[in-house]
Amino acid sequence: EPEVTQTPSHQVTQMGQEVILRCVPISNHLYFYWYRQILGQKVEFLVSFYNNEISEKSEIFDDQFSVERPDGSNFTLKIRSTKLEDSAMYFCASVVRNYEQYFGPGTRLTVT
Amino acid sequence: AQKVTQAQTEISVVEKEDVTLDCVYETRDTTYYLFWYKQPPSGELVFLIRRNSFDEQNEISGRYSWNFQKSTSSFNFTITASQVVDSAVYFCALSEGAAGNKLTFGGGTRVLVKP
Repeated sequence: EPEVTQTPSHQVTQMGQEVILRCVPISNHLYFYWYRQILGQKVEFLVSFYNNEISEKSEIFDDQFSVERPDGSNFTLKIRSTKLEDSAMYFCASVVRNYEQYFGPGTRLTVT
Repeated sequence: AQKVTQAQTEISVVEKEDVTLDCVYETRDTTYYLFWYKQPPSGELVFLIRRNSFDEQNEISGRYSWNFQKSTSSFNFTITASQVVDSAVYFCALSEGAAGNKLTFGGGTRVLVKP
């Protein structure tokens, strides 16, 4: 069964450093998302991506964040200058239409 | 604006007891989708069920059942004869309108099933 994959599973970085989180969505899916979950809290929407552009973003998704689909398969989330409060689990998801969003296993980001 | 509320933060039961998780949603759209996801201790998000706003038929799937009531904006979820492996955080989520829209999650309910 096809699945969404994410790398790395865990990333530790120092405050102020740039990080790139990678996702490979399911191949025939059209819509792509990033969500984050601060430890013990709910899952929050960051950004959605369709037809090679951002379709919606939340207030969390400020100028420090960017997304790309550089090669038609990978979908990346970049945080330019990480802050302590960026520490969270980051989930990638994809969907064909408005069916269930398939989530990747997540990347745990720890900012020290 | 869309909103999902899960009033129960944690539920603890003994194995074989039934567990019902409450979910109340708010939306101005007439077309929307409701979901339940399970997050076991390993951390991944596992899809359980999707319902659209035009389908109020309740369903039973194995030990899981759902009760969708538009009149009260509720989408409750029941686990029958709970097992230790059901221990997880359960999230209710809402997606409004057209295809591809974001999910808005509730705060989650932690279910602890004791042997």
